[in-house]
Amino acid sequence: NAGVTQTPKFQVLKTGQSMTLQCAQDMNHEYMSWYRQDPGMGLRLIHYSVGAGITDQGEVPNGYNVSRSTTEDFPLRLLSAAPSQTSVYFCASSSLGQGGYTFGSGTRLTVV
Amino acid sequence: AQSVTQPDIHITVSEGASLELRCNYSYGATPYLFWYVQSPGQGLQLLLKYFSGDTLVQGIKGFEAEFKRSQSSFNLRKPSVHWSDAAEYFCAFITGNQFYFGTGTSLTVIP
Repeated sequence: NAGVTQTPKFQVLKTGQSMTLQCAQDMNHEYMSWYRQDPGMGLRLIHYSVGAGITDQGEVPNGYNVSRSTTEDFPLRLLSAAPSQTSVYFCASSSLGQGGYTFGSGTRLTVV
Repeated sequence: AQSVTQPDIHITVSEGASLELRCNYSYGATPYLFWYVQSPGQGLQLLLKYFSGDTLVQGIKGFEAEFKRSQSSFNLRKPSVHWSDAAEYFCAFITGNQFYFGTGTSLTVIP
């Protein structure tokens, strides 16, 4: 099925560990982004990309790293996990100029 | 500064009653506007969008929204709410390639 696929769905990390959240889309969308969702704060943009090889920071980029080597994949790396990074993470993609995101189903991350 | 405001954090309505969720935006021009719905444990699903033209837009699941330039608003409405509409609703706009989301309105539907 066409859409945005995020893995894993759930993850528990210890403080200081690193990990990569995977995101893949099969709609040939140029634009991909990562958001975190926290209670009472809505969605906050972490990083985004407008095409392969191009990434930029969003509102809350600290502690996260991204790369975009292909159109399909946009992984999010947590370099050294902290409890403040406990959140639900959403990947989204869209076709430039068309507006409207397609969202993945999310990754619920807990850092202990 | 560019922003989206959803003044109602939580709304409770009875099943069958009408619904209006408020959204105001702050931007120097008319942006592209969206409403998304998020069911518990799920990602966000696009309900409707406004780019230009008719200021009353129809979406999925019987929702509609009206763009009012003079009020910088894009309120979401539904004439008769169903229990399955209980969810979190997000208003958003896009400028260039950046989306701005409101903090969401949580809807509870009473049987």
